Amino acid sequence: DIQMTQSPSSLSASVGDRVTITCRASQNISSYLNWYQQKPGKAPKFLISAASSLQTAVPSRFSGRGSGTDFTLTMSSLQPEDFATYYCQQSNNIPWTFGQGTKVEIK
Amino acid sequence: EVQLVESGGGLVRPGGSLRLSCAASGFTFGRYTMNWVRQAPGKGLEWVSSITSTTNYVYYADSVKGRFTISRDNTKNSLYLQMNSLSAEDTAVYYCARDCVGAAARWFDPWGQGTLVTVSS
Repeated sequence: DIQMTQSPSSLSASVGDRVTITCRASQNISSYLNWYQQKPGKAPKFLISAASSLQTAVPSRFSGRGSGTDFTLTMSSLQPEDFATYYCQQSNNIPWTFGQGTKVEIK
Repeated sequence: EVQLVESGGGLVRPGGSLRLSCAASGFTFGRYTMNWVRQAPGKGLEWVSSITSTTNYVYYADSVKGRFTISRDNTKNSLYLQMNSLSAEDTAVYYCARDCVGAAARWFDPWGQGTLVTVSS
């Protein structure tokens, strides 16, 4: 199975900050990497596919980069509605696997 | 509007069984692979099972293989998860999610609101 490791597990940031979350795969997954956002008590929401393709209606302050084993999700200017937990997920091989999540909290 | 609505969760004793359902609307259900993903309380996301559009192929996480059975009824736009031999480790919110495929990409979207399964004596 492909292991997905996110860092950090949590972070505190202020509105307007630039925030970057890292996701590392245990083996090469090309660009088969997705990002999801989850708010407390809600279902995950799809943000980015293929490492860098933003879902329609996702604000342009979100961006994704990477290929192979190392990936990043960046929020260029954090907004109040961005405080949530973010998960990466590989879709290269079954079993599909997720990172453990990164909780973005208000400083 | 594309929508997925799960039902069937509840409290069940260890060793018991439960059947979850997911009702789909707003898209041609029979054309999509569908998935179950779960989330234990306070924990991360775990893929559970997938079923292809015409039920030719089913896949399971090792943690549920032999105990859970995924199925679908395309005439009823519904996805199911039969869960047997449940243990406390199966306690989680269970989400159904549509499988989307693009150019060199595959992702889950949308997700249902989830249904909580609690395994406890």
